[in-house]
Amino acid sequence: GAGVSQSPSNKVTEKGKDVELRCDPISGHTALYWYRQSLGQGLEFLIYFQGNSAPDKSGLPSDRFSAERTGGSVSTLTIQRTQQEDSAVYLCASSLGGFSGQYFGPGTRLTVT
Amino acid sequence: GESVGLHLPTLSVQEGDNSIINCAYSNSASDYFIWYKQESGKGPQFIIDIRSNMDKRQGQRVTVLLNKTVKHLSLQIAATQPGDSAVYFCAETGGATNKLIFGTGTLLAVQP
Repeated sequence: GAGVSQSPSNKVTEKGKDVELRCDPISGHTALYWYRQSLGQGLEFLIYFQGNSAPDKSGLPSDRFSAERTGGSVSTLTIQRTQQEDSAVYLCASSLGGFSGQYFGPGTRLTVT
Repeated sequence: GESVGLHLPTLSVQEGDNSIINCAYSNSASDYFIWYKQESGKGPQFIIDIRSNMDKRQGQRVTVLLNKTVKHLSLQIAATQPGDSAVYFCAETGGATNKLIFGTGTLLAVQP
């Protein structure tokens, strides 16, 4: 079956611009997570959705970062006024919740120039 | 914290040998653990999971061992193949959100 998909696969943007990253989770997965993977920091949690609600936003690095989820499905991560330190691979994962595995998409590689 | 760059531990094995990748986890309250495989340019791929009420779980060619006393996980890969070459991460989770906390990863290099 279809896995988690993310778009775009690569995004190059100029410092100060806004970007939107999209995640399509596995159908039926109620839990959705965003993570960031950078050379200096490894894999780090950003935000968790259960349905359309985000009960845990503790990993968002600053108020320039926001995310939403609609229809219990697609999620968008928005970064405003991008900075060079935002350059990383942004990964989305979904799961059935509880003690079930989180399955990752291929990621979006963001480069801020 | 910040670091200039991650230096990944590397495990180099011969094709056909068994591999053991180790991981120390941080939170004694974590109750669910997952091993992921990540190939270059791809997202992490789920390999095997284990709950804290177990100490061993087997999959196809892989076994995960959990030692809660010393907060240690290991992933054993039998008859390692060149296609197993990748970075392997352990991840722990617990609590209401089940957000994953990842280890730094180990690079497995399989020599043909």
